[in-house]
Amino acid sequence: GAVVSQHPSRVICKSGTSVKIECRSLDFQATTMFWYRQFPKKSLMLMATSNEGSKATYEQGVEKDKFLINHASLTLSTLTVTSAHPEDSSFYICSARRGGTVPERPQETQYFGPGTRLLVL
Amino acid sequence: SQKIEQNSEALNIQEGKTATLTCNYTNYSPAYLQWYRQDPGRGPVFLLLIRENEKEKRKERLKVTFDTTLKQSLFHITASQPADSATYLCALDTKGGADGLTFGKGTHLIIQP
Repeated sequence: GAVVSQHPSRVICKSGTSVKIECRSLDFQATTMFWYRQFPKKSLMLMATSNEGSKATYEQGVEKDKFLINHASLTLSTLTVTSAHPEDSSFYICSARRGGTVPERPQETQYFGPGTRLLVL
Repeated sequence: SQKIEQNSEALNIQEGKTATLTCNYTNYSPAYLQWYRQDPGRGPVFLLLIRENEKEKRKERLKVTFDTTLKQSLFHITASQPADSATYLCALDTKGGADGLTFGKGTHLIIQP
């Protein structure tokens, strides 16, 4: 159990276009979802925290108008990269934190999606 | 400033030996520390969580220690296998899960047959 999916798995787009990435918790309700991005050979960097029904909280240096986050339900969060540029090319990964507890899996742990590879030409 | 360091970018270990990975942090007071495995082009997979009041945690061939005085965690894989080859990430959370995780850069572990 506790599967998180992302769609699409990879996307190539032209500079200036917008790209939407979906993150879904398939078999549990996610009270909180997180968006990270990872550049090659670098660590995952937290971009924003998304709570269902409220505005996302962005980390310092992450433009909220550039990276739009919508958390419309307890199982779906979307990240839209607006007016994408080549420097936005990266690996975007979401994670979900479930409510309640699971045996042998502390409540604080996060379940990560498989990631979305974005390439902006 | 807050910093997490994993001591090796890459670590080569012979199959059957114990692999030991290190995670050091500064200017944090984490409530707990987590270890994840990441394979190329994939999202991280949770392995173990250890809380600030715990010294050691085990799961099958994995063992994690946590020394809040030294501000260090050690991650051990015993009887290592080529399938254990991956990048291992340590991550800190100082607010009990309310916030996202802060990750180290990772150690790329290679188990040679």
